[in-house]
Amino acid sequence: QLQLQESGPGLVKPSETLSLTCTVSGGSISSGSHYWGWVRQSPGRGLEWIGSIYYTGITFRNPSLQGRVTLSVDTAKNQVSLKLSSVTAADTAVYYCARHIAGGGTGPLNYWGRGTLVTVSS
Amino acid sequence: DVQMTQSPSTLSASVGDRVTITCRASQSINNLLAWYQQKIGEAPKLLINKVSALESGVPSRFSGSGSGTDFTLTISSLQPDDFATYYCQQYNTFSRTFGQGTNVEV
Repeated sequence: QLQLQESGPGLVKPSETLSLTCTVSGGSISSGSHYWGWVRQSPGRGLEWIGSIYYTGITFRNPSLQGRVTLSVDTAKNQVSLKLSSVTAADTAVYYCARHIAGGGTGPLNYWGRGTLVTVSS
Repeated sequence: DVQMTQSPSTLSASVGDRVTITCRASQSINNLLAWYQQKIGEAPKLLINKVSALESGVPSRFSGSGSGTDFTLTISSLQPDDFATYYCQQYNTFSRTFGQGTNVEV
């Protein structure tokens, strides 16, 4: 069964870069059928799509975050990664890794990790 | 940027009730709309995509409808497992915007 597991620091200082990794098990990110995405959730901003990546490296990002977001993929490790630069307290959120539906590009997300809380604070 | 507005924000209901949640887009989204259910402490779960296509394993008491800018999620007979927060999401534009959520409570 497909499982997604987010990992990374739970505390990041303001102005620094948030870095998270999503490890996928039970399926290959190189299968070619899916994009892999990041979504965050906070009380103030609700659910917000951050961006998504294909195993070839094709990337789509939310225009509101585009300049700060870097997505990457490591097919050997079956991982996708997120970097968000110049963070502020507004970036404090639960960050989810998720898989888009097959053949749906970066449409709906039908498999999600459990999420990881990242707090931005000095 | 497309704004998605759900109503109501909170809905009080009982087991067996018919429940309707509305989602309105600030502009046409070409019927590229999904619905999710989220329980406390869990990730969202995809229920419906492309307005009315039920995901595999989702009970048939859930249904979606609408077009243009106005969409509806209906639960025909609310079950105890359905008390949760529901979100709509548009995937027509690259903001992939979610609604603010509707909490269905007892």
